[in-house]
Amino acid sequence: GQQLNQSPQSMFIQEGEDVSMNCTSSSIFNTWLWYKQDPGEGPVLLIALYKAGELTSNGRLTAQFGITRKDSFLNISASIPSDVGIYFCADPSKAAGNKLTFGGGTRVLVKP
Amino acid sequence: DTEVTQTPKHLVMGMTNKKSLKCEQHMGHRAMYWYKQKAKKPPELMFVYSYEKLSINESVPSRFSPECPNSSLLNLHLHALQPEDSALYLCASSQATGNTEAFFGQGTRLTVV
Repeated sequence: GQQLNQSPQSMFIQEGEDVSMNCTSSSIFNTWLWYKQDPGEGPVLLIALYKAGELTSNGRLTAQFGITRKDSFLNISASIPSDVGIYFCADPSKAAGNKLTFGGGTRVLVKP
Repeated sequence: DTEVTQTPKHLVMGMTNKKSLKCEQHMGHRAMYWYKQKAKKPPELMFVYSYEKLSINESVPSRFSPECPNSSLLNLHLHALQPEDSALYLCASSQATGNTEAFFGQGTRLTVV
């Protein structure tokens, strides 16, 4: 089946830094969804991407749908402590069997 | 309104108990999902309902029994669970299955003792 690989698996942020994470697929995507999950809570939808090359922002977050349709990037600008959490990419498409499959997640932590 | 409401938020049950998890949405969505999530792992799909019919069962043990009484409600009936079933159970809904945005509830933290 389709596999979603997220990198890095974890990262440390310092307040004010820009950070970036990505998600790659073994096959072509039609839709990318990016979620953030805080401990003990459900995932919250951040950004949805529907077209190759699409660049979409939500506040300090920017996500891009890769031209090859096999990858997507999420950038956080000027990070703040509440950006800590786990970020997941997900694929809801028919190609993935309508299953809303998640990547392994990128855990964002605060630099000690 | 993009709210999916799950109850209860926490549940502790014995291995011989029968309990139910509930999920409700009023967005007119016709696809609803149950996920199981263990610590430090992504959500794993259990069931998908499309137009109130079960469309996907990811080989989930029969001690988990889903039910969709109407287009707004989704239940997960639990019976004879094992300690390894302890996890965060998440409900989600979307307009339909396929290339659409899905919204999640806050989850039920289940502990089986």
